[in-house]
Amino acid sequence: ETGVTQTPRHLVMGMTNKKSLKCEQHLGHNAMYWYKQSAKKPLELMFVYNFKEQTENNSVPSRFSPECPNSSHLFLHLHTLQPEDSALYLCASSRELADPSYEQYFGPGTRLTVT
Amino acid sequence: GDSVTQMEGPVTLSEEAFLTINCTYTATGYPSLFWYVQYPGEGLQLLLKATKADDKGSNKGFEATYRKETTSFHLEKGSVQVSDSAVYFCALASGSARQLTFGSGTQLTVLP
Repeated sequence: ETGVTQTPRHLVMGMTNKKSLKCEQHLGHNAMYWYKQSAKKPLELMFVYNFKEQTENNSVPSRFSPECPNSSHLFLHLHTLQPEDSALYLCASSRELADPSYEQYFGPGTRLTVT
Repeated sequence: GDSVTQMEGPVTLSEEAFLTINCTYTATGYPSLFWYVQYPGEGLQLLLKATKADDKGSNKGFEATYRKETTSFHLEKGSVQVSDSAVYFCALASGSARQLTFGSGTQLTVLP
């Protein structure tokens, strides 16, 4: 039990669908992250939020839209995706961004398949 | 910018063998260093960390020492088990970047 939950665990969607991924952390952390993990590629950081404010957007296409309504919840809204967007999407949280010694806690991920 | 170079996998060992997975880094300042492990079908879990030079992180029989002079953080275990089969990621966090930079991961398979 990592304290970070993600739903759904698996998602299959067509290229014209709109869906959302949800992440919730029960650790009292203030920073939250979205990562993309594709086969045979390094982990890619997508977005970073600190105290609900977005601090990082690593050149992610606009078909991915994050939302952080509070420090415990993070969403990733998906629309008009491409097959190459199929991947494992991982959410993580950490105490805050200011101290690099703070480790990140990861959720189990959502396995997304775009057909 | 910051970067992490990890030993290419996959690595296959017999149970009770000695494990080393090499990790070297490039970073400005004094980063914190981490090893994460990902078991099949799961997210990443922190295995161990070290926050300053000469620190040794340890957990579940795994160890890694922060070597500033060689910019390395190699992961070792004296006697691996089948249950250690997973993907291992070396990572760093520096004060300037304020985010984790990961290596590409090393797949470890331990055979009984």
